[in-house]
Amino acid sequence: LQLQESGPGLVTPSETLSLTCSVSSGSISRSDYYWGWIRQPPGKGLEWIGSIYYSGTFYNPSLRSRVSISVDTSKTQLSLKLRSVTATDTAIYYCARGSQGSSGWSHYFDLWGQGILVTVSS
Amino acid sequence: DIQMTQSPSSLSASVGDRVTITCRASQTITKYLNWYQQPSGKAPNLLIYEASSFHSGVPSRFNGSGSGTDFTLTISNLQPEDFATYFCQQTYTSPFTFGPGTKVDVK
Repeated sequence: LQLQESGPGLVTPSETLSLTCSVSSGSISRSDYYWGWIRQPPGKGLEWIGSIYYSGTFYNPSLRSRVSISVDTSKTQLSLKLRSVTATDTAIYYCARGSQGSSGWSHYFDLWGQGILVTVSS
Repeated sequence: DIQMTQSPSSLSASVGDRVTITCRASQTITKYLNWYQQPSGKAPNLLIYEASSFHSGVPSRFNGSGSGTDFTLTISNLQPEDFATYFCQQTYTSPFTFGPGTKVDVK
């Protein structure tokens, strides 16, 4: 199984950042996994953006008003949309597969895409 | 939000060394602590989940311990491929926050 992010590498301020993550092997609809997006400004730490579970979607409150995550099971793709971007949204964006372990209470990303650098600039 | 801190922020070590990285949460997170390894220029890889459970394929020289607010990642017999940045992440409550990272480089 592999994850591959794609989308524009340059986005204009105030516009919408749109990324897709292609999931090989067609396992995106399995209920024992969930899917998420994480970002990393160049040279800095990691920030969880949000995750989509079989039961629903959850977002980082700091981004909730601007972000949406969805899954297209027919295309085995995960999508991220981030509206009204500014330079502070410049980052490497990773998609990842999540698991909740045997207890069902844990959350961890056990498979990551290679990441895509998105720069917000005019 | 739960704040995660890591110490040290960086360390220099040699192949064969034993390395210890500490992660502290601003409030209890019970056992819901993950460790990731990020080689330079690459995506993170899961090492440890639930504080001490090994992800499949992770070498036994990596060990995670702790509960509550204080956690430790220990690398015994450091190997060349272990020079990387290590992040902890709490998943006790949303938002799932990461620590700032600890960079392990060559002495």
